Amino acid sequence: GQQVMQIPQYQHVQEGEDFTTYCNSSTTLSNIQWYKQRPGGHPVFLIQLVKSGEVKKQKRLTFQFGEAKKNSSLHITATQTTDVGTYFCALNTGNQFYFGTGTSLTVIP
Amino acid sequence: KAGVTQTPRYLIKTRGQQVTLSCSPISGHRSVSWYQQTPGQGLQFLFEYFSETQRNKGNFPGRFSGRQFSNSRSEMNVSTLELGDSALYLCASSPAGGWNTEAFFGQGTRLTVV
Repeated sequence: GQQVMQIPQYQHVQEGEDFTTYCNSSTTLSNIQWYKQRPGGHPVFLIQLVKSGEVKKQKRLTFQFGEAKKNSSLHITATQTTDVGTYFCALNTGNQFYFGTGTSLTVIP
Repeated sequence: KAGVTQTPRYLIKTRGQQVTLSCSPISGHRSVSWYQQTPGQGLQFLFEYFSETQRNKGNFPGRFSGRQFSNSRSEMNVSTLELGDSALYLCASSPAGGWNTEAFFGQGTRLTVV
């Protein structure tokens, strides 16, 4: 199946450090969603971005959608141990839907 | 409000057998999507049902099929199981689907094919 490589694949950070994951598509997207999956859990919806250049914030999380609607990023400021998990982007091209490969975040206390 | 319920949670099957997984969406949600998650291939979209009709389909062989009932509950069937079908199967529901709204995932069914 089709997938998008997220960068990085793994990230280990010290608690309090920042974290960013990137999702890049070769195709213009209708929208992009971000999900978080805790170890042993199921994906949980975080946010959806629709507009070109859109920036949305949720407390310490900042989500951006690129101007060309082909890429997106998720930035976490001052990570906490509760941020541990895998972050997936989910891309909607209009007639196809697929997930990114995910970035696994480990936070060292 | 109850969340998305998947049954069974765990399943062990033998190669060549078939399996049926069940998903009960959140009350009022008419769209149910199915996904396969493996360490090697990640999260992959199988298909989406809306109002008892398959609306979208991913790139999986015909051994993978599904259906949706009038109460929006959905089942997924895999025939002639292969070792590579071992995976976590997740379903997600949303009010209208179409990948434009938040999807609520169930806990998944862990299928092991031996």
